[in-house]
Amino acid sequence: DIVMTQSPDSLAVSLGERATIKCKSSQSVLYSSNNKNYLAWYQQKPGQPPKLLIYWASTRESGVPDRFSGSGSGTDFTLTISSLQAEDVAVFYCQQYYSDPSTFGQGTKLEIK
Amino acid sequence: QVQLQESGPGLVKPSQTLSLTCSVSGDSISSGGYYWSWIRQPAGKGLEWIGRIYLSGGTNYNPSLKSRVTISVDTSKNQFSLKVTSVTAADTAVYYCASEWGAPGFFSYWGQGTLVIVSS
Repeated sequence: DIVMTQSPDSLAVSLGERATIKCKSSQSVLYSSNNKNYLAWYQQKPGQPPKLLIYWASTRESGVPDRFSGSGSGTDFTLTISSLQAEDVAVFYCQQYYSDPSTFGQGTKLEIK
Repeated sequence: QVQLQESGPGLVKPSQTLSLTCSVSGDSISSGGYYWSWIRQPAGKGLEWIGRIYLSGGTNYNPSLKSRVTISVDTSKNQFSLKVTSVTAADTAVYYCASEWGAPGFFSYWGQGTLVIVSS
């Protein structure tokens, strides 16, 4: 199985400031034949299911605010929230779908400082 | 837009079988291109993909659970189901149904989740 490791486990950021979450995979999730990274990001608020934010490492899901962005390739990825809003408080997960079983990171809890 | 809703018993006794159903609305479960998955999340913990079923009736399972899991589909009811046999307290979790579109991959649609507690 591909192991996904996120850092940090928790993060406190002031409103309006940038938040950065890292995700590292135990092997590359870049598929060379199509040059796509099989990596997604989700946001989960308390009592709710995860919500898809980003797929193919950097493609924003429809309706997701443009303050959310994804970057990275191969084994190292980043989710950035450019200007933190109060409603962004949540746990964020990365997921690899390069190979079964699909696996998730352990989650990063984002709070307001 | 696809909508998913889980249903089933919230309490299961150890060694028994956990059975859940996911009702699909907004599109036919038989529509080409969809993959229908189950994912679980123990309280305060991360997400674990359990397995998926797709149009041809094919299934893929997480090897960690494969010996105890069956996913099936009922196209007449627009539903798919999960069975986990020989449950223990470690199977206590919120169970989500979710869908992938186009190919096995990221999960665009999720149900609200249902809590299943394994306890005598």
